[in-house]
Amino acid sequence: EVQLLESGGDLVQPGGSLRLSCAASGFTFNRYAMSWVRQAPGKGLEWVSAINSGGSTDYADSVKGRFTISRDNSKNTLSLQMNSLRVEDTAVYYCAKDHGWLAAYWGQGTLVTVSS
Amino acid sequence: EIVLTQSPGTLSLSPGERATLSCRASQSVSSSYLAWYQQKPGQAPRLVIYGASTRATGIPDRFSGSGSGTDFTLTIGRLEPEDFAVYYCQQYATSPRTFGQGTKLEIK
Repeated sequence: EVQLLESGGDLVQPGGSLRLSCAASGFTFNRYAMSWVRQAPGKGLEWVSAINSGGSTDYADSVKGRFTISRDNSKNTLSLQMNSLRVEDTAVYYCAKDHGWLAAYWGQGTLVTVSS
Repeated sequence: EIVLTQSPGTLSLSPGERATLSCRASQSVSSSYLAWYQQKPGQAPRLVIYGASTRATGIPDRFSGSGSGTDFTLTIGRLEPEDFAVYYCQQYATSPRTFGQGTKLEIK
């Protein structure tokens, strides 16, 4: 059974940094692309970033240059380093196991709050 | 960027009725790389349909997807109480992968 467990969400001040992690199990992690999708409180879904099995990355314009996605295949872990955080980055962040570019399985999410 | 527009914003129906949700793209979605997700309050989204018309694992056959190009539809044949939720369409053909704003399916 695919399991994705996000962690690292917290309250952080504008301009601060935070690192999210996603622990994956139940599948061969290094064979799959992974992605992050976020949802601001009461709002819709927004794709944030993705990394394929080879390590190639892609970002939404809204986070490009501030967020960095990475993976550690030895630890079955996906990460999202978030710098220069803004109030508008406040959201629940979901990690997802991709089939191609399709977000097929989702974790339960971790809440990031950016506020002074 | 492909913009997806879902309609209606809210759909009020009774259990047993048929639901039809629409998703229109600002440009053609190649290879029908269009998905539908269901999200219930406090839960993560769940994949319902991918490739415009293929049901995801474990999704009952009352759910069906159709369409191509710029116009896509999610149909729920006979609504069960557990089907009332917010539904999002997403295109995963081009970057950035974009979502529609959602349709809330509520009990009438």
